[in-house]
Formats: sequence, structure tokens, C-alpha cells
Amino acid sequence: GENVEQHPSTLSVQEGDSAVIKCTYSDSASNYFPWYKQELGKRPQLIIDIRSNVGEKKDQRIAVTLNKTAKHFSLHITETQPEDSAVYFCATHTGGFKTIFGAGTRLFVKA
Amino acid sequence: EPEVTQTPSHQVTQMGQEVILRCVPISNHLYFYWYRQILGQKVEFLVSFYNNEISEKSEIFDDQFSVERPDGSNFTLKIRSTKLEDSAMYFCASREDRGVSGELFFGEGSRLTVL
Repeated sequence: GENVEQHPSTLSVQEGDSAVIKCTYSDSASNYFPWYKQELGKRPQLIIDIRSNVGEKKDQRIAVTLNKTAKHFSLHITETQPEDSAVYFCATHTGGFKTIFGAGTRLFVKA
Repeated sequence: EPEVTQTPSHQVTQMGQEVILRCVPISNHLYFYWYRQILGQKVEFLVSFYNNEISEKSEIFDDQFSVERPDGSNFTLKIRSTKLEDSAMYFCASREDRGVSGELFFGEGSRLTVL
């Protein structure tokens, strides 16, 4: 079945540094790759997404890259700030009815 | 801004009891979901619902679970006989369409504690 692997599970960076989170997926039919941010005790919320016909997308300090051949995609956060501290989930969607999530990365940004 | 709403926010129940979690998806959305998140773990897919029927379900969604859309607005998850391992945060989500542009909008979650 579908599987999404996410690394690292925990990431600690100094404020202002960059953070990179990587995911690999197994289902070659996946065509939509969203990233969700979940603050403590809150709901997951979409922060950026990328479709399979695009290799890279950027939105201010956040960027996502996709390598469909290798079946991996990454989230890049530049100039990190303390409010970026949260759990980040990658996910895949095949165009069917479900979105499958990775295990999550707990990001700590130290001031 | 429209949002998915869930009730109750927290429910405590005894093992073996039935629980119903309620959700009101965003009004023009067509696809509805329940996800589960055990404390500190990943968001796990339970079931998707479209056109008044289940479209996909996971291995977790066994015979103890059922979903229903009893009217035009509510979407419910029922657990018939709760087990200790059902303790988790249950998120309802909805999506406008299932195509490539399909952002999932989550509710605030219902925390279920089974004693």
C-alpha cells in the first residue's frame, strides 16, 4: 500500500538558519504533495503544496522541491523564526480519495 | 472564513461504551474524512466519504467504526464499543474536490479518552 517516509523526526536549528525536511513515497501514482504545519494542540494546516508537473515552488521563506523520478520531495524553510517551531507533516495524494501523511518532523527554532 | 467544526472537543468514556463524534464540514465541500492522531504520533487516515457513501477506508476502520451523514450538514463518526487503544484525537476534514487542487481543511479535533 501507500507509504510516506519522513526524516528527520526531530530537527533543532538556531533562529535565522535554514531547515530542511525530506520525504519519500512509494506510490508512483501520487500527483499532489502538500505540507501541513501543526502547532501544539492545534489542527494541521496547509502551508504549501506542489503538483507532480512542477519541480519546485516557493512562497516567501518556504519552498518545496519534488523529484518524481526518485519519489522524494523536500520542504525548505529559510531564515527560521521561533514561531516556525511546530510539527511538520508531508503528505501525498493519488487523485483518489485519501491523503496519506508522513510521521512528522518536530522542528525547534532556538532564539 | 468558513471552517470545519467538531463536537465535542473532548470526550471521556468507559471502555465498551459507544461514542459519536460530530462534524460540520465546510458547506460547499463534497469530500469528507476522518483522521486519527494518537498523542505525539502521525495523522492516520480512517475513512473518506463522498456522495453519501464510503469511498475508501483504512485497516483501522474496522466493524467497530461507522460514518453517517444524517442530514445536509452533519458528518458523524461512531465507535460502537470503545477500546483503550481508541484513545486519540479524531480530526474531521473536508475537501472541495478530490482533484489535484484538493487541500484538506481540518476541524479542531475531538479528543477521545477511553478509560
